Parts: sequence; C-alpha cells; structure tokens
Amino acid sequence: QVQLVQSGAEVKKPGASVKVSCKASGYTFSGYYMHWVRQAPGQGLEWMGWINPNSGGTHYAQKFQGWVTMTGDTSISTAYMELSRLTSDDTAVYYCARGEVMTGHDFWGQGTLVTVSS
Amino acid sequence: EIVMTQSPGTLSLSPGERATLSCRASQSVSSIYLAWYQQKPGQAPRLLIYGTSSRPTGIPDRFSGSGSGTDFTLTINRLEPEDFAVYYCQQYGSSPITFGPGTKVDIK
Repeated sequence: QVQLVQSGAEVKKPGASVKVSCKASGYTFSGYYMHWVRQAPGQGLEWMGWINPNSGGTHYAQKFQGWVTMTGDTSISTAYMELSRLTSDDTAVYYCARGEVMTGHDFWGQGTLVTVSS
Repeated sequence: EIVMTQSPGTLSLSPGERATLSCRASQSVSSIYLAWYQQKPGQAPRLLIYGTSSRPTGIPDRFSGSGSGTDFTLTINRLEPEDFAVYYCQQYGSSPITFGPGTKVDIK
C-alpha cells in the first residue's frame, strides 16, 4: 500500500533552515510528482510547490521562490523540502503529498511540525 | 491566482442529516481539476473527491460532488459520526494550486 513517512518534529531558531524528508513506499517513486503543503496552527492549507523526482524539475509557488528548495533521491525513494531564513510565521505542519495530474493529492504524509522560536 | 471561497464557515448538523457544502472559485475551474479533502484534528487531509465528482477507492458513496465553472458542491448524505471534520475544496488545474479556507461540519 502507498505510504509517505515524514521525518520528526523540529524546533528551529529564527534565521535558521529546516529540511524535512518524506520517504515513499508502495509505488514507483519516480512516477509521481511530490507536492508540499503547509498548515499553520489553526489555519488552512497552503500549497508550496512540487518536485518531479524523475527529472528533478521543480515548480514553486511564487511566495516561496528563493527560499524553498525541493529535492529528491530516487535511490531511497525520498523527497526533501528545505526552507531557509525561517521566521515565526513559518511555524506550521508541513505535509508531503503525492500528486497525480487527474486526481489531485491522493496520498499524504503524516505531517512534520516545524516550530520556529527564539 | 484562483481564489477559492467556501460557505458556510461552520455547519452544525446531527448524525443522519444531509450536509451541503459550497465552494466558489474566483475564475472558472476545469471540472477535472476540482477536489475535496476531509481533515480531522491532528490528521493529514484525506482525498474525498477528485475531478468534481469522482471518488477514490474506499470513499463511501454517501459523499458526492457536483458543479462546474465557478460553483461546486460537496454533499454528504446521512452524516455518520466519523464525518464531523473540516472539508477543503481545491483547484489543481492552475498554478498556484489553491485551497478554500474550509468548512467545519460539527455536531449540533
């Protein structure tokens, strides 16, 4: 069965960077885009961008361009999302989600809480 | 950017009742790129409906979707206790992908 397992919670200081991992299993990792979505406490869902693990190509929401980097390692079926220059506004749960052109985000990771605090 | 709005913000209903949730887009969305997600506290969202009206394997048929253009609807027939949650609509045909703010369905 399809599973996306994310890395554990992180606490970071303002100005630092965070890298969240998402290990995929149960399907061909390189065959589907991986999206990242975040959710601030008590708030809605915000799409950040995607990576094509097969080509390494990426597409980021304009808001995140210049400070998010999405990568993938097909040898271990793992996607990564790195966010730099963190501020308290980046405190959120970060989700990876498998993306399929016709079906949207059909499988999601369990989420990784990133807390930014001095 | 396509802005998605949802109404009502909260829907208070009893088990067994029907829930009707609305989603409106700021510009026309292709019906093949409109999805609905369910999210319970402390959990990741779950895909309920894609392509406006298609259900993934395992989603009960009491969930149905309809609509076109800028107006879409999620209907939940005969609410079960496990259906009380927050529901988000999403358009994924245009970048950036955008979600609505959510409708909370709670127990009356």
